[in-house]
Amino acid sequence: GAVVSQHPSRVICKSGTSVKIECRSLDFQATTMFWYRQFPKQSLMLMATSNEGSKATYEQGVEKDKFLINHASLTLSTLTVTSAHPEDSSFYICSASLAQGGFNNEQFFGPGTRLTVL
Amino acid sequence: DAKTTQPPSMDCAEGRAANLPCNHSTISGNEYVYWYRQIHSQGPQYIIHGLKNNETNEMASLIITEDRKSSTLILPHATLRDTAVYYCIARYNFNKFYFGSGTKLNVKP
Repeated sequence: GAVVSQHPSRVICKSGTSVKIECRSLDFQATTMFWYRQFPKQSLMLMATSNEGSKATYEQGVEKDKFLINHASLTLSTLTVTSAHPEDSSFYICSASLAQGGFNNEQFFGPGTRLTVL
Repeated sequence: DAKTTQPPSMDCAEGRAANLPCNHSTISGNEYVYWYRQIHSQGPQYIIHGLKNNETNEMASLIITEDRKSSTLILPHATLRDTAVYYCIARYNFNKFYFGSGTKLNVKP
């Protein structure tokens, strides 16, 4: 099946620093990638939709200047948490679709990145 | 917001069938029902999806009612490794998934 990887798997940083998380589709081209955030004991929350070569679309309430998304190629999307603070500590998960869209189109999820901001 | 309702938790004995219900009473005609599961601290794993007909694969079966207002995911022989949170998603927004709270399945020896 299609494989999505994330790097790093976990990161600890100091408050005020920026952290970049990479999401790669390893064996397929993903026109669209998605970024989710998950707090402990909660469900996944969709943050943004990332389309290759265009600006990301953010969900309501998600600060686009705080969470910078770049989708420079069909196999790589990056999420940068700028000026991270302890409340940004969370589990960040990306997913990718095989084709550009459609209802009959599953998403493949990465293993997640655990961010801890001290 | 996700338009599905699932029980918060269920127990199942190892080796028995696990039947996980999902209510999606406001589902529209072109919305597929997807099931994913998430084992602790991992990314969600795709299980199965369907539109109208019942579906079966190597992992599970999906039973969708004729009126499409509800569905049931069936794990025919649950093992301890099936302990996870199971998410039912009615895909109403083109290309996006909105996760609900899911069902925590506890498979017990």
